[in-house]
Amino acid sequence: DAGITQSPRHKVTETGTPVTLRCHQTENHRYMYWYRQDPGHGLRLIHYSYGVKDTDKGEVSDGYSVSRSKTEDFLLTLESATSSQTSVYFCAISGLSWGPGGNEQFFGPGTRLTVL
Amino acid sequence: AQSVTQLDSQVPVFEEAPVELRCNYSSSVSVYLFWYVQYPNQGLQLLLKYLSGSTLVKGINGFEAEFNKSQTSFHLRKPSVHISDTAEYFCAVSADQTGANNLFFGTGTRLTVIP
Repeated sequence: DAGITQSPRHKVTETGTPVTLRCHQTENHRYMYWYRQDPGHGLRLIHYSYGVKDTDKGEVSDGYSVSRSKTEDFLLTLESATSSQTSVYFCAISGLSWGPGGNEQFFGPGTRLTVL
Repeated sequence: AQSVTQLDSQVPVFEEAPVELRCNYSSSVSVYLFWYVQYPNQGLQLLLKYLSGSTLVKGINGFEAEFNKSQTSFHLRKPSVHISDTAEYFCAVSADQTGANNLFFGTGTRLTVIP
């Protein structure tokens, strides 16, 4: 596996509480992504980053925000968690920092989030 | 935007039999195509990818796929499956462009290999 870690790996929280998931990479890749995986939907892109402090929305961004203050870390925040955000969240990376956008994405191990 | 259709949500197959997992895509621009595998409680691992060149792409674990532009398909095949191939398989597409290549995934096909 590429050097990608996600924390926490499992989290149970209550509706209305804020939650932050962290993705950390040691590969110096330029691009980072957050996906959610739900049965019957495959993986859907939430937000992505194309550099430090440069982010953009994906397909299912409502209710989520992200931040990237340094190359190696990409944070996903649920400002006020809802039960519909119960899911498995995957971080991915692509592209070397000095190159064009990478074609292949490498995935982290995932975070299982349950919102009660 | 791009989209992917995986028509078969579940595919059971006997051990040592061949298998084909179907993938069709839709896009108004040139694309890159990927197959990922996900074993239980794990992340996604790249099986193979088509970027350009030969339309027959060989990947890890004996899998191969063929890009068919006229039929907008990228079916995954293996001539003889093993028990260890039991997993979920995702087809994905991204636009052929520089910059962030956002992937669009199909809904997945669960392959079950029967002893």
